[in-house]
Amino acid sequence: GQNIDQPTEMTATEGAIVQINCTYQTSGFNGLFWYQQHAGEAPTFLSYNVLDGLEEKGRFSSFLSRSKGYSYLLLKELQMKDSASYLCAVRGEDSSYKLIFGSGTRLLVRP
Amino acid sequence: DVKVTQSSRYLVKRTGEKVFLECVQDMDHENMFWYRQDPGLGLRLIYFSYDVKMKEKGDIPEGYSVSREKKERFSLILESASTNQTSMYLCASSLDRAGAGNTIYFGEGSWLTVV
Repeated sequence: GQNIDQPTEMTATEGAIVQINCTYQTSGFNGLFWYQQHAGEAPTFLSYNVLDGLEEKGRFSSFLSRSKGYSYLLLKELQMKDSASYLCAVRGEDSSYKLIFGSGTRLLVRP
Repeated sequence: DVKVTQSSRYLVKRTGEKVFLECVQDMDHENMFWYRQDPGLGLRLIYFSYDVKMKEKGDIPEGYSVSREKKERFSLILESASTNQTSMYLCASSLDRAGAGNTIYFGEGSWLTVV
């Protein structure tokens, strides 16, 4: 089967660093995506990893280890507006380009 | 910027009604998708289409059908709405290429309540 696991909720303090983990088991692998979703809004694209290692984009970084089926999203210098759900999604081996999503991690940033 | 537009943000329908959810994208994307999102279950793929008049079932197609008569438009149809179809429905589109280039772009979502 195909499975993507993320913690359900996390809490962090404004200005701090938080790491959101994602583990996956899929039939094949053709890339991992992270999306941010504020309450009542559509998910928006944050990052993409297909090779092992760290991808940095401003305050956000995403890491991938294909051998471990593991990724994390690192958010630095947290701001109140970072309170949102963070969705991990994997593209499997077929050619349809559909994504398999985890249930998402709800992050609450406190003052 | 990519624009994916869902025609209705909030709908209330009665059990047994036929419901149409419309989605239009303006970036000439080949692929289009319909997901539903429910608390604790994440996004689940209902149907997707990789070309005009082509469609494939996703993970939860039961109770739904789709139509793609034009490249930019992908419609989700609930033939006879039921209360367990109360959910948020997200339309999305992407280019037909590998890598980050096929990032999925989402519409704003349609909140459907079936009473």
